[in-house]
Amino acid sequence: GAVVSQHPSRVICKSGTSVKIECRSLDFQATTMFWYRQFPKQSLMLMATSNEGSKATYEQGVEKDKFLINHASLTLSTLTVTSAHPEDSSFYICSAIGREWSNEKLFFGSGTQLSVL
Amino acid sequence: KQEVTQIPAALSVPEGENLVLNCSFTDSAIYNLQWFRQDPGKGLTSLLLIQSSQREQTSGRLNASLDKSSGRSTLYIAASQPGDSATYLCAVDGSNTGKLIFGQGTTLQVKP
Repeated sequence: GAVVSQHPSRVICKSGTSVKIECRSLDFQATTMFWYRQFPKQSLMLMATSNEGSKATYEQGVEKDKFLINHASLTLSTLTVTSAHPEDSSFYICSAIGREWSNEKLFFGSGTQLSVL
Repeated sequence: KQEVTQIPAALSVPEGENLVLNCSFTDSAIYNLQWFRQDPGKGLTSLLLIQSSQREQTSGRLNASLDKSSGRSTLYIAASQPGDSATYLCAVDGSNTGKLIFGQGTTLQVKP
């Protein structure tokens, strides 16, 4: 089955720093990657959709200048939380699909727990 | 706007019990519904996917049903085990693009 690798699994940083999270598809070419955020005891909420080689599409209420997404290759998408603040502390997780995907199971990365002090 | 609700939010049962988790969605125009398992601080593991044309899917001790017209799905877990303790999430794909709308999950505890 499709494997999606996400790193790091946990990050603790000081307020004002930037944090980069990587999401890699290991055995398929991911033409589209999705980034979700999950606050404690809440559901996963889609933040943005990134297509290889083009700008990401952000969901309403998600600041594109705050959460920079780069999907420069068919196997790697990165999410950078710029100038992180305590309210950005959350669980971030990605999923990916390939060119032939349609109405199938989705595979997710293992997630990144971000804690901003 | 699609909304997905899961009831109950938390459930505690003794080992060996059969149990049912519920998921409802407001817009019946979906392509599929997927059930996931999430362990604390971990990613998601896909358990079952039911396409809109299907009524149920089974995998081992798990059985998921879908009633699209009424906007409901259930996940049935037979002979529960302590290892089943986790949060169970249901999610719907309304656009066949891979974008999922999740419920808030049911946290299950199975006591030995």
